[in-house]
Amino acid sequence: AQSVTQLGSHVSVSEGALVLLRCNYSSSVPPYLFWYVQYPNQGLQLLLKYTSAATLVKGINGFEAEFKKSETSFHLTKPSAHMSDAAEYFCAVKGYSSASKIIFGSGTRLSIRP
Amino acid sequence: NAGVTQTPKFQVLKTGQSMTLQCAQDMNHNSMYWYRQDPGMGLRLIYYSASEGTTDKGEVPNGYNVSRLNKREFSLRLESAAPSQTSVYFCASSELDRELFFGSGTQLSVL
Repeated sequence: AQSVTQLGSHVSVSEGALVLLRCNYSSSVPPYLFWYVQYPNQGLQLLLKYTSAATLVKGINGFEAEFKKSETSFHLTKPSAHMSDAAEYFCAVKGYSSASKIIFGSGTRLSIRP
Repeated sequence: NAGVTQTPKFQVLKTGQSMTLQCAQDMNHNSMYWYRQDPGMGLRLIYYSASEGTTDKGEVPNGYNVSRLNKREFSLRLESAAPSQTSVYFCASSELDRELFFGSGTQLSVL
């Protein structure tokens, strides 16, 4: 069964600093992987997704993530944090078959210091 | 573009009452999902339906039932609500390798 682990329930960075949010997955076959963002009092919005086309995936708002099979990781990065990036971020995994479920990690809350 | 429509948006129940959360999507997706979101626990899968006529338990199915009425609709029923079911509920749909499309959520309080 697939699962997702997000290391760090809360990450705080200074404005302009590198953002790194960690996600490790467990899956018996190469999965589909997603990062979602949830701003306060809003629903979830897709940031980016990995579907085996390319290991480095670029998303919206300057975020990107790299799929590393050897490390079973899909960490989310952004070179320079902006105040508007403050939100909760969720990593999710889906197996390859059409019957596979989509399972989420527990989330990482990102705070930006002025 | 309606996408995923979820009703109601807010609901307050007393312990032991029953209710059904409704969800409909107009994107012709095969897969539909019900999640609950609680602080510090992310989104946890309650039930999902890979296609019309099939349903399967997720991570936290106890206390819930679902019905995949047709390809468009997937309802979630609480037969006897408990305070532990106070949460925000999200319906979602997807297709194979595509991302989830979410409804706007239902904020449920069980007193």
